[in-house]
Amino acid sequence: EPEVTQTPSHQVTQMGQEVILRCVPISNHLYFYWYRQILGQKVEFLVSFYNNEISEKSEIFDDQFSVERPDGSNFTLKIRSTKLEDSAMYFCASRRSYEQYFGPGTRLTVT
Amino acid sequence: LAKTTQPISMDSYEGQEVNITCSHNNIATNDYITWYQQFPSQGPRFIIQGYKTKVTNEVASLFIPADRKSSTLSLPRVSLSDTAVYYCLVGDGQGGSEKLVFGKGMKLTVNP
Repeated sequence: EPEVTQTPSHQVTQMGQEVILRCVPISNHLYFYWYRQILGQKVEFLVSFYNNEISEKSEIFDDQFSVERPDGSNFTLKIRSTKLEDSAMYFCASRRSYEQYFGPGTRLTVT
Repeated sequence: LAKTTQPISMDSYEGQEVNITCSHNNIATNDYITWYQQFPSQGPRFIIQGYKTKVTNEVASLFIPADRKSSTLSLPRVSLSDTAVYYCLVGDGQGGSEKLVFGKGMKLTVNP
């Protein structure tokens, strides 16, 4: 069964550093998403991406965040200058019809 | 997006049928009801989606009464591996770039 993959599984970075989280969505999917989940809290929507552009973003997704689909297979989330409060699990998801398929997540720890 | 209300937690035992309820009093005409499951340190996983009456797949059934203001996810004969958080979501799940809006979900613990 096809699946969404994410790398790395765990990233530790220092405050103020840039991080790039990578995702490979399922190949025939058209809609792509990033969500995050702070430890013990709800899964929160960050951004949706369709037809090579952002279709919706949340208040969390400020100027420090960006997404890119550089080569038709990878889907990346960049955080330019990380803050302590960016520590969370980041999930990538993709879909073709109504079911969103989530990746295993990247645990980001900002120290 | 319609708000959903679920119990915080539920305990069950292996082999039992588990019914998890969700209230969504403000559901809109074009909203679908979708359930996801999440294990610790994993991404949510789609279980089932429905609009009205009853939907069944290989893992669960979803019961939706005529007024659609609530729904019940039924898991037949649960096992220890069904211990997870279960989320009920309501939205226009059939189209657009619909984001998923998760609540706190319900923690199901299956005991031996």
